[in-house]
Amino acid sequence: DVKVTQSSRYLVKRTGEKVFLECVQDMDHENMFWYRQDPGLGLRLIYFSYDVKMKEKGDIPEGYSVSREKKERFSLILESASTNQTSMYLCASSSPEGVEQYFGPGTRLTVT
Amino acid sequence: GEDVEQSLFLSVREGDSSVINCTYTDSSSTYLYWYKQEPGAGLQLLTYIFSNMDMKQDQRLTVLLNKKDKHLSLRIADTQTGDSAIYFCAESMRNTDKLIFGTGTRLQVFP
Repeated sequence: DVKVTQSSRYLVKRTGEKVFLECVQDMDHENMFWYRQDPGLGLRLIYFSYDVKMKEKGDIPEGYSVSREKKERFSLILESASTNQTSMYLCASSSPEGVEQYFGPGTRLTVT
Repeated sequence: GEDVEQSLFLSVREGDSSVINCTYTDSSSTYLYWYKQEPGAGLQLLTYIFSNMDMKQDQRLTVLLNKKDKHLSLRIADTQTGDSAIYFCAESMRNTDKLIFGTGTRLQVFP
């Protein structure tokens, strides 16, 4: 059974803090993705990675960075959190041969 | 650019059929998807259709694809309260593994 886990379900941080969101998958997938989900806007791609140490910007990368040092782990970093980064963050993984992206349960981040 | 649109809300009575609609813009998409998100959870793939198909049926779910109009629909027969969720339409982008998601349709089923 494919499993994508995210380090926290709920997180509250202060403006200006550095925030790390971790995602781990156990299916040896090459591709990993970070999205944010906001009401009325759907899912928007922040960054994705198709291999270790590789990353590509998605549609809304500003204010975020990522790290992929190991195949199974993809980290999203908010260098200096701001209130407009309050959102639900979803991680996903897939294989290049596969059809489906598998999602983690999400992290609801609140920045105060 | 790519854009996937859905209506935001749908309310149906238990036992009726639900039809959730989606329009997309990239005619070169290989696959089109329907994902379901239950409250407090991540997204789960419900079904998908290859772009050279018109219809796909899977138990209570029927997916219709009209490539000419770039319109995708999901019909849920005999809708149950457990079907209450947000449904996302998504299209794949040619030559990448990225998906473009719609805004999501919140389906509410009332008794």
